[in-house]
Amino acid sequence: DAGVIQSPRHEVTEMGQEVTLRCKPISGHDYLFWYRQTMMRGLELLIYFNNNVPIDDSGMPEDRFSAKMPNASFSTLKIQPSEPRDSAVYFCASSLKAYTEAFFGQGTRLTVV
Amino acid sequence: GENVEQHPSTLSVQEGDSAVIKCTYSDSASNYFPWYKQELGKRPQLIIDIRSNVGEKKDQRIAVTLNKTAKHFSLHITETQPEDSAVYFCAASLSGNTGGFKTIFGAGTRLFVKA
Repeated sequence: DAGVIQSPRHEVTEMGQEVTLRCKPISGHDYLFWYRQTMMRGLELLIYFNNNVPIDDSGMPEDRFSAKMPNASFSTLKIQPSEPRDSAVYFCASSLKAYTEAFFGQGTRLTVV
Repeated sequence: GENVEQHPSTLSVQEGDSAVIKCTYSDSASNYFPWYKQELGKRPQLIIDIRSNVGEKKDQRIAVTLNKTAKHFSLHITETQPEDSAVYFCAASLSGNTGGFKTIFGAGTRLFVKA
């Protein structure tokens, strides 16, 4: 397996634009997590899914953020409209089952100017 | 809410010395404690983990200890090498309020190993 795959690797966008980040988890993994990493706040859990169902989105900072998982092999994180303070590295991770290792993707470095 | 505190934020050691990173967690329901290493510009990767029914686990130069009563766990790296230089994250996993499980990360420790 190629591991967790995220795209794009880098995204530069203007404030107010819509941004969509994509993630393909490892096949067969039941859990998918979206994290945001910044120097100030570290690794923050935004939302997680179990068997494609969103379980807890309490970490999503604002209504501008939304996430979907239409099937077991694909998830998106959307920011609309984007703001400069959204600039961060966004990681997607998947786990085979509860209380097991999280495998992280390469991350998407988002810059909003 | 759930919280994981990690200390120190920065640690500098001489090659060959030991390094210790300490974490505490707030929710006593936490039962899985992984440690991740993140090299500059890379993704976090698991280096060792421990479950709540175990007090200590060792893998070559790396060991973790867990004190559930005190809600405290630590990472020990012996005979440090320059390639151990990275950011290390502790984490605690527990059941989510609405189902499933989630993992909360500490703020990270930047380890420098001087040759």
